Amino acid sequence: EADIYQTPRYLVIGTGKKITLECSQTMGHDKMYWYQQDPGMELHLIHYSYGVNSTEKGDLSSESTVSRIRTEHFPLTLESARPSHTSQYLCASSEYGGSQETQYFGPGTRLLVL
Amino acid sequence: KNQVEQSPQSLIILEGKNCTLQCNYTVSPFSNLRWYKQDTGRGPVSLTIMTFSENTKSNGRYTATLDADTKQSSLHITASQLSDSASYICVVESGAGSYQLTFGKGTKLSVIP
Repeated sequence: EADIYQTPRYLVIGTGKKITLECSQTMGHDKMYWYQQDPGMELHLIHYSYGVNSTEKGDLSSESTVSRIRTEHFPLTLESARPSHTSQYLCASSEYGGSQETQYFGPGTRLLVL
Repeated sequence: KNQVEQSPQSLIILEGKNCTLQCNYTVSPFSNLRWYKQDTGRGPVSLTIMTFSENTKSNGRYTATLDADTKQSSLHITASQLSDSASYICVVESGAGSYQLTFGKGTKLSVIP
């Protein structure tokens, strides 16, 4: 089992609130990712990072922001949550390994915005 | 546009039976193809990764095949177990230089006793 953690696992929050989804890994991986997944649908990359102080937007437009101040920590923040943000958010990490690079996923955070 | 199509969308099989899941992709340039298993409410777990030169790769009762010419892959599960019930996701990485993974929507497999 991979050492990648996400908190909270479930979050119900009102519209307009600011929230931060936490993700941390203890494997020393340089690369970290955030995905959004609606039920029964494919994962969409929303943010990724190649290392400390590196953040990039993914292929799905998102109103969230991320930061990477420490290797092991990659939090995702929504400044003002809306019902359209209701989804599952998955964090992942990997280390450079060329074409055989394996991603390890956290358990996910299920977000419901009322 | 890069796309990954999986079939069937869902599948129900009896415990102990074999099954094969399909993945067709139109991703270019191709770098590698991955199969993941995602249990309900959990993050995906990697099963196999295959590069252009690999035709088949096994991980226990899971065997993935890749035909890079026809851009097709399959995941064969042998002697299914109840714990195999999950979504199986095909993911293709583009070798375009910048990071790009294209995810399929997955096949939802239910193994029943």
